[in-house]
Amino acid sequence: DTGVSQDPRHKITKRGQNVTFRCDPISEHNRLYWYRQTLGQGPEFLTYFQNEAQLEKSRLLSDRFSAERPKGSFSTLEIQRTEQGDSAMYLCASSSTGTGSYNEQFFGPGTRLTVL
Amino acid sequence: AQSVSQHNHHVILSEAASLELGCNYSYGGTVNLFWYVQYPGQHLQLLLKYFSGDPLVKGIKGFEAEFIKSKFSFNLRKPSVQWSDTAEYFCAVNSNTDKLIFGTGTRLQVFP
Repeated sequence: DTGVSQDPRHKITKRGQNVTFRCDPISEHNRLYWYRQTLGQGPEFLTYFQNEAQLEKSRLLSDRFSAERPKGSFSTLEIQRTEQGDSAMYLCASSSTGTGSYNEQFFGPGTRLTVL
Repeated sequence: AQSVSQHNHHVILSEAASLELGCNYSYGGTVNLFWYVQYPGQHLQLLLKYFSGDPLVKGIKGFEAEFIKSKFSFNLRKPSVQWSDTAEYFCAVNSNTDKLIFGTGTRLQVFP
């Protein structure tokens, strides 16, 4: 499968714990995005990278959230001191800035986080 | 700020009925428009997209959408739905930034 992959698919944690999610984009894609989706809502943008540079962060992204893409390939999203309100599906997407494919984002299966 | 409105939250149809899902966006500049679909248990997939040119866009599985700039709309249509079209449908927009702004989604149920 050459699509976007995310790990883990499900995570249950207790309030106050730290969690980290991983996203592996499509190999030739230089852009990587993180979104969050709660029940009954569409995905909300969190942040995105072009190669290893983090180009934009949403105001939704509190100081407890940090994302990295150290070598311009896979990315991690860490949530520190989780709160029940962090429970959601965390989606990763990737795209290429090559001609003809600009802005078409391909999504992974998501990581469902439940904070007890 | 950009926003996307999907007026139909839940649509129930019988097979062979025609479908139209509404999508309106708020942004005054040049936009790119998308419809994504999420089948039960699967990840988001692109149905169709509009960047420029012909405002009537054809996508996969017989879906089409029409961009009407004067109405800030990008409605999704299909002349005859199938049971396998049961899914959640999301309209999305982006412009000078790369992030997608999604609507709240429309849940479509098609009964045989």
